[in-house]
Amino acid sequence: AQRVTQPEKLLSVFKGAPVELKCNYSYSGSPELFWYVQYSRQRLQLLLRHISRESIKGFTADLNKGETSFHLKKPFAQEEDSAMYYCALSGFSGGYNKLIFGAGTRLAVHP
Amino acid sequence: DSGVTQTPKHLITATGQRVTLRCSPRSGDLSVYWYQQSLDQGLQFLIQYYNGEERAKGNILERFSAQQFPDLHSELNLSSLELGDSALYFCASSVAGDRGAGGGLFFGSGTQLSVL
Repeated sequence: AQRVTQPEKLLSVFKGAPVELKCNYSYSGSPELFWYVQYSRQRLQLLLRHISRESIKGFTADLNKGETSFHLKKPFAQEEDSAMYYCALSGFSGGYNKLIFGAGTRLAVHP
Repeated sequence: DSGVTQTPKHLITATGQRVTLRCSPRSGDLSVYWYQQSLDQGLQFLIQYYNGEERAKGNILERFSAQQFPDLHSELNLSSLELGDSALYFCASSVAGDRGAGGGLFFGSGTQLSVL
């Protein structure tokens, strides 16, 4: 079964500290993984796609198939990074391609 | 602006009532997805349509129904509303069809439903 696990509900750090938001997935095939960000219950915005191997707003994420993880990292957190972060997996299940979200991690960056 | 439009932004109604939420996808996107976001349940996938046809169902209650029209806009109908239905309802679209969200989803701003 497809599953996305974000083990931390809340991650609290100080400005300038490194950040790692954890995401583990369960999927039997080759998944496509994404990170979405939501500021203050506004619309979810696509932050990263693993296939793009890009860095957005200083965030990066590497797909580790051996550990089935797709952790989101940033070396120096900024206050404006405070938001809800969702990891999502796109894969086939029941004949259809579905996008499954994790429960989300709230990142709070303190001055 | 993601290009996905949802109306209304806010909806306040009473238990037992019926409401309709509307979504217009990005120009050119054929797939529409509906999600429910509540404080205790997080982001829950409800249903997906592709070019007018239902493609996938998630945790959607029988009291809820949706459709996608020929012009590709979609409506989510919620009936016999209960207090627990109060949530933020998001619509999202993607250009992909059966490949689903391979390119990622683009979300609307949501409709905040309050059932009193």
